[in-house]
Amino acid sequence: KQEVTQIPAALSVPEGENLVLNCSFTDSAIYNLQWFRQDPGKGLTSLLLIQSSQREQTSGRLNASLDKSSGRSTLYIAASQPGDSATYLCAVSPNAGKSTFGDGTTLTVKP
Amino acid sequence: EAQVTQNPRYLITVTGKKLTVTCSQNMNHEYMSWYRQDPGLGLRQIYYSMNVEVTDKGDVPEGYKVSRKEKRNFPLILESPSPNQTSLYFCASSSTGFSYNEQFFGPGTRLTVL
Repeated sequence: KQEVTQIPAALSVPEGENLVLNCSFTDSAIYNLQWFRQDPGKGLTSLLLIQSSQREQTSGRLNASLDKSSGRSTLYIAASQPGDSATYLCAVSPNAGKSTFGDGTTLTVKP
Repeated sequence: EAQVTQNPRYLITVTGKKLTVTCSQNMNHEYMSWYRQDPGLGLRQIYYSMNVEVTDKGDVPEGYKVSRKEKRNFPLILESPSPNQTSLYFCASSSTGFSYNEQFFGPGTRLTVL
């Protein structure tokens, strides 16, 4: 059974700092991996989707990498801002339709 | 506007009273899923559907039913709700198109079972 772990569970940084969030998974036979952002009491917003054949994806200040062989993905956030404060979730899919989520990293960016 | 909608957004009910949470998407997506989110347990998949009349169990299907009679709709049915089904529920959809399996989520339904 796929298990997804996100470390750290919480992270607090000053504004402007670059940071890395980690996601590890136990079964490397994945179809894709997706990073989400969730604000308190809200739904999930898709940030980046990495297909199994890709190594990384970029969107603005965000860059996500995928290393299937080691079962790891990282989400890099450049020049963090207070508006980046949220919970970041990664989800691993072994096939289209099924997904397993990590517990998330709660990020606080202090002004 | 492309979106996933859920109704109701908030629901308080009593043990054993059947309820349905509706989910609809206007993006012509083939795949739809239901998740529940609980503190300390994260997001867990309940059921998913690959297309009309095709559904499969996720990780926590017990106590839930689903149906997919139309492509755009994927209702979640609790035949006899119990207090342990108190949770925040999310519906999601994704396609087989360019962004294969990129999931888009609804706003959530907060269910309380007394």
